[in-house]
Amino acid sequence: AQSVTQLGSHVSVSEGALVLLRCNYSSSVPPYLFWYVQYPNQGLQLLLKYTTGATLVKGINGFEAEFKKSETSFHLTKPSAHMSDAAEYFCAVSPNNAGNMLTFGGGTRLMVKP
Amino acid sequence: DAMVIQNPRYQVTQFGKPVTLSCSQTLNHNVMYWYQQKSSQAPKLLFHYYDKDFNNEADTPDNFQSRRPNTSFCFLDIRSPGLGDAAMYLCATSSVLAGGRYEQYFGPGTRLTVT
Repeated sequence: AQSVTQLGSHVSVSEGALVLLRCNYSSSVPPYLFWYVQYPNQGLQLLLKYTTGATLVKGINGFEAEFKKSETSFHLTKPSAHMSDAAEYFCAVSPNNAGNMLTFGGGTRLMVKP
Repeated sequence: DAMVIQNPRYQVTQFGKPVTLSCSQTLNHNVMYWYQQKSSQAPKLLFHYYDKDFNNEADTPDNFQSRRPNTSFCFLDIRSPGLGDAAMYLCATSSVLAGGRYEQYFGPGTRLTVT
């Protein structure tokens, strides 16, 4: 079984500040990990994913995340927030032997202040 | 561009009146999913098709049904919508074939209002 915990349902940062969205997972098998972004009244868009290989993965819009097995974490970061980053962010885990079934975290709403 | 398309984007139906939401994909993916997402919540998987094989989540109400007539199309039927079924409904696809990219690709969603 797998689960995902996103710490902080709401995160507020100033424009230009560091963005850090936290994600911890549990999985009984090696996981695939994903971050999705959702803008209002839109579907989910993949930001980045970790499957195998390099543990620091870079995604779209300047975001990156690091898979830390020892901490069971996959936190999402961006060095400098932009107003257009305001959205809902979902972390998700998929067991690597389960045909792409996703378990989502509860989501974090990112607000960016001017 | 290859994509997942959902129609309509906004649907209003009356309490108890059957409604069908549609999803199509040009990605030729063999798996299609339907999620329900209520306000400020994560998407909740209702069911998925692996090719023609239908897989229902244990807690999906019987009121929700699905059809996949071919690879490209998938439909969500709500037989008797209640007020609690008002939500965003998301369709997604993925490929589990060799060389698949593992992630799910989402459509823009259909927002269902029940009056």
